[in-house]
Amino acid sequence: GAVVSQHPSWVICKSGTSVKIECRSLDFQATTMFWYRQFPKQSLMLMATSNEGSKATYEQGVEKDKFLINHASLTLSTLTVTSAHPEDSSFYICSASRTGHYGYTFGSGTRLTVV
Amino acid sequence: AQSVTQPDIHITVSEGASLELRCNYSYGATPYLFWYVQSPGQGLQLLLKYFSGDTLVQGIKGFEAEFKRSQSSFNLRKPSVHWSDAAEYFCAVGDGYGNKLVFGSGTILRVKS
Repeated sequence: GAVVSQHPSWVICKSGTSVKIECRSLDFQATTMFWYRQFPKQSLMLMATSNEGSKATYEQGVEKDKFLINHASLTLSTLTVTSAHPEDSSFYICSASRTGHYGYTFGSGTRLTVV
Repeated sequence: AQSVTQPDIHITVSEGASLELRCNYSYGATPYLFWYVQSPGQGLQLLLKYFSGDTLVQGIKGFEAEFKRSQSSFNLRKPSVHWSDAAEYFCAVGDGYGNKLVFGSGTILRVKS
């Protein structure tokens, strides 16, 4: 149990376009989802926390207008990278937690390359 | 605010040898501690977690970790390493279930035959 599916696993896009990444909890309701960014050979840095039905909470330094997060249901959160630029190329990982349970389940990540 | 330090960037051990990966945390209250493993280009897999109770925690794949409050440490151990254990390992601390995690910088484990 407690599976999180993240899609796509990799994507290449042109500079200036937008890319949407989906994070789905397959067998539980995720009241909270987290979006992380990981640069090569670096650790995971939290970008934002999203709760179902409310606005996401962004970490300091993360542009909320560039990284749009939507958590419209208890099983789906999306991250949209708008007007992507090469410096946005990174590995993006989501994780989900469920009410009353300890621990977090991570998606398999999305490798974004902006050319 | 909580923080996590993993002092070893790389560790190389021989297959069959024992392993200890270090993790020190900073947090004012009782921390929620995790160890994750990540293979290249993959997401994170939970190895084990500590919230309360017995300070020696058993995880998957033969890993264990010991919470030492006096040393603010949560070191990961394995008595005999297998080549398939080669990966990057992250220690993380949280302040409660459902709240965000803060990750250490990671330790890359190499296993030599």
